[in-house]
Amino acid sequence: GQQLNQSPQSMFIQEGEDVSMNCTSSSIFNTWLWYKQDPGEGPVLLIALYKAGELTSNGRLTAQFGITRKDSFLNISASIPSDVGIYFCAGQRYSGGYQKVTFGTGTKLQVIP
Amino acid sequence: DGGITQSPKYLFRKEGQNVTLSCEQNLNHDAMYWYRQDPGQGLRLIYYSQIVNDFQKGDIAEGYSVSREKKESFPLTVTSAQKNPTAFYLCASSIGVAGELFFGEGSRLTVL
Repeated sequence: GQQLNQSPQSMFIQEGEDVSMNCTSSSIFNTWLWYKQDPGEGPVLLIALYKAGELTSNGRLTAQFGITRKDSFLNISASIPSDVGIYFCAGQRYSGGYQKVTFGTGTKLQVIP
Repeated sequence: DGGITQSPKYLFRKEGQNVTLSCEQNLNHDAMYWYRQDPGQGLRLIYYSQIVNDFQKGDIAEGYSVSREKKESFPLTVTSAQKNPTAFYLCASSIGVAGELFFGEGSRLTVL
């Protein structure tokens, strides 16, 4: 099955720095989602985006739904050690009678205290 | 609290044995899903179910089976036909066809 192009694959940053990651696709999606996964745990939903051009914030997180509906980015401001984890984007669209969800390959974030 | 419970969290099995992973949700969600996650890869869909007594194959259904006899339960059986069963398995649910996915904590299966 298709996977989204997510970049970067991994990042090492200093505590306090801002982080940016993005996802692109050749397909159009109706919804973009961003998840965070800690080691050995299930992904936790961070932000959901429903309209093209939408910019949504959740604390230090900001995400945008691209105008073309084929891309999204996630920014984390003033990173802290607990931001460590793997971040996944996911695009959703209704296809063939069900809600088809396509996931990115993940961005592994390491924060150096 | 509402949520999705997967069990067991860790499971070791010998090659050739079938294993069943449990997934229960009390969110009153209609749709449930099983994903497989391998190191360095995204999530791949195994099976999904939109309503009770109905389920459909995902992208990598070979060697797996599911049932949906109750709204809150969607167990996954990893059969001996699955050639590479060692992986992290994630169950998810959504309120309906347009809802966001919410995940359980995962089950790590290791086949020796």
